[in-house]
Amino acid sequence: AQSVTQLDSHVSVSEGTPVLLRCNYSSSYSPSLFWYVQHPNKGLQLLLKYTSAATLVKGINGFEAEFKKSETSFHLTKPSAHMSDAAEYFCVVSVESNTGKLIFGQGTTLQVKP
Amino acid sequence: NAGVTQTPKFRVLKTGQSMTLLCAQDMNHEYMYWYRQDPGMGLRLIHYSVGEGTTAKGEVPDGYNVSRLKKQNFLLGLESAAPSQTSVYFCASSYWRDRPGIFGSGTQLSVL
Repeated sequence: AQSVTQLDSHVSVSEGTPVLLRCNYSSSYSPSLFWYVQHPNKGLQLLLKYTSAATLVKGINGFEAEFKKSETSFHLTKPSAHMSDAAEYFCVVSVESNTGKLIFGQGTTLQVKP
Repeated sequence: NAGVTQTPKFRVLKTGQSMTLLCAQDMNHEYMYWYRQDPGMGLRLIHYSVGEGTTAKGEVPDGYNVSRLKKQNFLLGLESAAPSQTSVYFCASSYWRDRPGIFGSGTQLSVL
């Protein structure tokens, strides 16, 4: 069965320092993986997606993620955090290739301190 | 503007009342989904549809019904609301199953 685990429920960084949000997945076939961001009282916005092309995926706002099959991981990184990055981040795996159903991780709240 | 529109944005119900949430998309997407978001649990799939006239159960379908009579609309119904259905509900749509969904801005529902 497919599943996704976000290893940290809360991450706090200082502005200008690197961001690392960790995600491990479980899938019985080659998965499609996504990162979404949700700002307070807003909907979800797609940051980036992996669909079996390049293993290093670049997204919006300077974020990127690396798909590592051997480690079943899809960690999200950014070299330098901005205050506007404070939000909740969801790692998501595609469950079934014929329906587009998604399984969400529990979410990681990113706090950015000035 | 193209996108996914959810109606209403906020609603308060009493236990036992019924209501319908409307999701409308103008992108000609085939696939539509209803999720609920609860603290510490991410989003969980309630029901989904892979085309007009079709619906299927997701991860947490109990207490909800859906209909997709028109391609652009996906309705989520609560026949007899319960406090456990207090949540934020998100609708999403996508053109193709391998494409990530476009999400609406959410409906905050409180059941007292």
